[in-house]
Amino acid sequence: DGGITQSPKYLFRKEGQNVTLSCEQNLNHDAMYWYRQDPGQGLRLIYYSQIVNDFQKGDIAEGYSVSREKKESFPLTVTSAQKNPTAFYLCASSIRDNYGYTFGSGTRLTVV
Amino acid sequence: AQRVTQPEKLLSVFKGAPVELKCNYSYSGSPELFWYVQYSRQRLQLLLRHISRESIKGFTADLNKGETSFHLKKPFAQEEDSAMYYCALSAQGYALNFGKGTSLLVTP
Repeated sequence: DGGITQSPKYLFRKEGQNVTLSCEQNLNHDAMYWYRQDPGQGLRLIYYSQIVNDFQKGDIAEGYSVSREKKESFPLTVTSAQKNPTAFYLCASSIRDNYGYTFGSGTRLTVV
Repeated sequence: AQRVTQPEKLLSVFKGAPVELKCNYSYSGSPELFWYVQYSRQRLQLLLRHISRESIKGFTADLNKGETSFHLKKPFAQEEDSAMYYCALSAQGYALNFGKGTSLLVTP
């Protein structure tokens, strides 16, 4: 059953700690994306990757980092430099950059 | 710079009434536009793309380049249409830029 999986569903982090959110897809999609969804803000782009070993910053990349070592995986690290990390994070993938996206079910990160 | 504006945060209509969700964009190039929908407790999913000119679940959207709009329409709303709707724009070589979304509530 093809799809995109995000884990964990819920994540709690203490202030000052880095945390990594997982995103895996078995759709053979080239492009992958990370968005942050806040109430009233819509989806804001954090990072995206169109091919393995390459990625670009989105509109709100500060305090985040990513890697794309495999086509199937695009983990997002929320670093301690991110001022307001509590949010809902969505990962997506697509065949190419201007095609429809398939979204994961999201990870809700709470800083405690 | 590209921007997507959805002027209504919340739109409430009665079942059977027509519905129009507004989307305006700003982009100097030739845009590709999308509507995504998120039903309660479900994943965000693609509803339609302007380039395919198709109708999904009775919804249609026409790209109006003169007015830079891509409004989503349905002639008769159903209760199951209640959801969050996002308009999104794709610029060449860049990721989708989403609007802030409109919450549609269809009441019986």
